[in-house]
Parts: sequence; structure tokens; C-alpha cells
Amino acid sequence: DTAVSQTPKYLVTQMGNDKSIKCEQNLGHDTMYWYKQDSKKFLKIMFSYNNKELIINETVPNRFSPKSPDKAHLNLHINSLELGDSAVYFCASSQDGTRTDTQYFGPGTRLTVL
Amino acid sequence: QKEVEQDPGPLSVPEGAIVSLNCTYSNSAFQYFMWYRQYSRKGPELLMYTYSSGNKEDGRFTAQVDKSSKYISLFIRDSQPSDSATYLCAMGRGGGSYIPTFGRGTSLIVHP
Repeated sequence: DTAVSQTPKYLVTQMGNDKSIKCEQNLGHDTMYWYKQDSKKFLKIMFSYNNKELIINETVPNRFSPKSPDKAHLNLHINSLELGDSAVYFCASSQDGTRTDTQYFGPGTRLTVL
Repeated sequence: QKEVEQDPGPLSVPEGAIVSLNCTYSNSAFQYFMWYRQYSRKGPELLMYTYSSGNKEDGRFTAQVDKSSKYISLFIRDSQPSDSATYLCAMGRGGGSYIPTFGRGTSLIVHP
């Protein structure tokens, strides 16, 4: 059983479109995250939710809107996609979001904006 | 200058070699240090977590932290082809929510 799963794995779309990426974790964790990994492999946190509440919102354009319907799911909706949004997006989860927590990452969603 | 610097490599070594991977950082507020391994087309997985200066060993892996020099290392003994991956260092500040800052990763290739 996959601990953290994401769909889709690959997403190719045109500039200006709106798209969503879904994430689910079956670990019973309270905290979930979205990361962006760019072409140079830098991994940067975008958002963090704890028990469906937003706790971290890094400097991310408001075209990106996370939604957590329950603590096992954290989806990412992106409006008006731009070329610079092309990257791999990783979802992760951890038990309670403290500094000693181990984060478990999903397999990533490779987004290509044409 | 980025907060965390890491040579992207690639680093190519023969099987059985001792591998040394390193990161430097500029922010003295970092209190805890991690190493992640990321296989191609996969998400990162935590390998080692350390809080204080010194060494921590886990099997073939040893993590070393030198806070005075702002320098961390990961050593892999008896390297195997299955160790071929990208290794990312990550660091976090004390207090509050956990927000790690990642290095860009070093690509390691262990050839038979």
C-alpha cells in the first residue's frame, strides 16, 4: 500500500489553463505539505496544513490554492498556469509537524506547461 | 549566496568506495540537520536526522555535523550500485513549525 499517493503523475497542459493535483496519505498523519522542485532540483516548501488548517504559506502566487477536505487529503489547484510553473510537485505528510517529525513524500507530479 | 550550498555533482565512484557528500550553510539559526535520498522519478526519503554537532551512525551511513564551521557531511561506506541516487541535505530552525531548507542535492553514481 502506498503511504502518500499523488495523481496525476504527469500533467502536460497549455499556458492559461487551470489544473488540480490530488494527494492522499493513509498514514494517519495530522500534517501535510506541498513542495515544488524546480529544474535545478531545489525543493521548496509551498504550503503546510495541520488538521485541515493552513499553517504555512510561503511566498507563493495566489494562483496556487491548496484545499484540505479532510486531514488525509491535500489538493493543489493552480489557476492561469504559466511557463514558470513547470516543475515537479511533491506532497508530503508527517505525524504532527514538529521539528523531529519525519516527512514522508509522495512520488511527485511532473507538471509541464507549454 | 543561498542559505544552503551543495555541489550538484555528479559524483561517480566505483563499487565499494567510501563516499563523502557535503553541505555548507550560512544561517547559524539552523539547529537540526537531515539527509534525504531521492531516486530518479521518486520522492525524497529521510536517511539521517541529527540535532547536535558530532557524528551519528546508521549502518553504512554516518552523518557528521560541525556547527562551528557550518558544515555537514554524509559518509557512505562500502558503496553499492543501489546507492546511486540524489542526496539532499536539509536543515531546520528551532521552535515553531517545521520548515526545512533543502540543498539542491548531489547526484551520486556508484558503478559496478
